[in-house]
Amino acid sequence: AQKVTQAQTEISVVEKEDVTLDCVYETRDTTYYLFWYKQPPSGELVFLIRRNSFDEQNEISGRYSWNFQKSTSSFNFTITASQVVDSAVYFCALSEAGPSGYALNFGKGTSLLVTP
Amino acid sequence: EAQVTQNPRYLITVTGKKLTVTCSQNMNHEYMSWYRQDPGLGLRQIYYSMNVEVTDKGDVPEGYKVSRKEKRNFPLILESPSPNQTSLYFCASSRISGANVLTFGAGSRLTVL
Repeated sequence: AQKVTQAQTEISVVEKEDVTLDCVYETRDTTYYLFWYKQPPSGELVFLIRRNSFDEQNEISGRYSWNFQKSTSSFNFTITASQVVDSAVYFCALSEAGPSGYALNFGKGTSLLVTP
Repeated sequence: EAQVTQNPRYLITVTGKKLTVTCSQNMNHEYMSWYRQDPGLGLRQIYYSMNVEVTDKGDVPEGYKVSRKEKRNFPLILESPSPNQTSLYFCASSRISGANVLTFGAGSRLTVL
């Protein structure tokens, strides 16, 4: 069963629009961690944010904000006033304890295209 | 500079010709891992290692081998590459903990003809 679902495969917006990338996860653990990574067209993977399961406070960093809701098992990512440089593939990931230590499960990614 | 270095970055090879993709990190991380990225499938874990001489299979280990003889190095070995192993490969490392952030290498694009 897929542990991290990013239902939006591709999103296209016009610059300055707000956009929300959805992430739904599945776990039976009480202690787990959630991440977002960005992969720009150049290909590298860039860490954006980490959240632990005990901290449901929303976080804002500039134009980026994250909404963590345990009740719906979601960890959504919003970009306000999008810019062309935000065009990238965004991955949500879940880290939970497994038999051999923590395993990191990635969603399939959402490709965001921001056009001028 | 703290980094994960993978080589080669690009490689075209033929079916059956053994190859090794090297991965080295300079952060003294215990945990290292290999992922492959394919269109529509996201990042899938091939193998990971919790420490020297400790390796374990990820989600898609078939056709791959790894070794962890030194803490800093975690090579990915394709003994007999096949076209379905054409992919973008990433090596990553972190401290041992679910909270730790992975540092990724720049990626290695492999084409098997």
